[in-house]
Amino acid sequence: EAGVTQFPSHSVIEKGQTVTLRCDPISGHDNLYWYRRVMGKEIKFLLHFVKESKQDESGMPNNRFLAERTGGTYSTLKVQPAELEDSGVYFCASSQDSWGPAAEQYFGPGTRLTVT
Amino acid sequence: EDKVVQSPLSLVVHEGDTVTLNCSYEVTNFRSLLWYKQEKKAPTFLFMLTSSGIEKKSGRLSSILDKKELFSILNITATQTGDSAIYLCAVEHSNHQLIWGAGTKLIIKP
Repeated sequence: EAGVTQFPSHSVIEKGQTVTLRCDPISGHDNLYWYRRVMGKEIKFLLHFVKESKQDESGMPNNRFLAERTGGTYSTLKVQPAELEDSGVYFCASSQDSWGPAAEQYFGPGTRLTVT
Repeated sequence: EDKVVQSPLSLVVHEGDTVTLNCSYEVTNFRSLLWYKQEKKAPTFLFMLTSSGIEKKSGRLSSILDKKELFSILNITATQTGDSAIYLCAVEHSNHQLIWGAGTKLIIKP
């Protein structure tokens, strides 16, 4: 079974440009999460999809970030325009349920974003 | 292929017990090994290990890395119900991507 995949693995863009990150969750997982690891070791929550709906987007830093999950399958996270502080590693995770025994999240390897 | 394997997958113990969680890895271009505790959404950082044989401690938690045998352990002494969580091990690649283990689900019974 394929795990959570993310594309690209690394993106280098200039300040002001636009970048789109993609996450393909495990097939059949309704829940999809975006996280960000900036500079240090902590991983910060960005948002949570249940199918195509945004269940919780309280972690989105500002309106330069737009996440979509059309059709409830893969998700994209667009940063427009990118700023220097957006640099970091963006992780995606998916789970079958959001609570209960099948709520365990499976993480992708992350996309490293470098804004210069 | 890079991989991180955690064991056991789940563990149920009583309050006050000591637990040891294992993480073994096969990763090219190793940068660091990280332990996280996940209770709700975002995993909470516990430890980052880069050097072999140096134990890191934080309260009742401690962790050590063996880069020769390619594994790490996370110890929790005098467990409390608040320690119940999924403990994730991840190895950071030189490109900063993380290769995640499947996690150990720890349940502490009162």
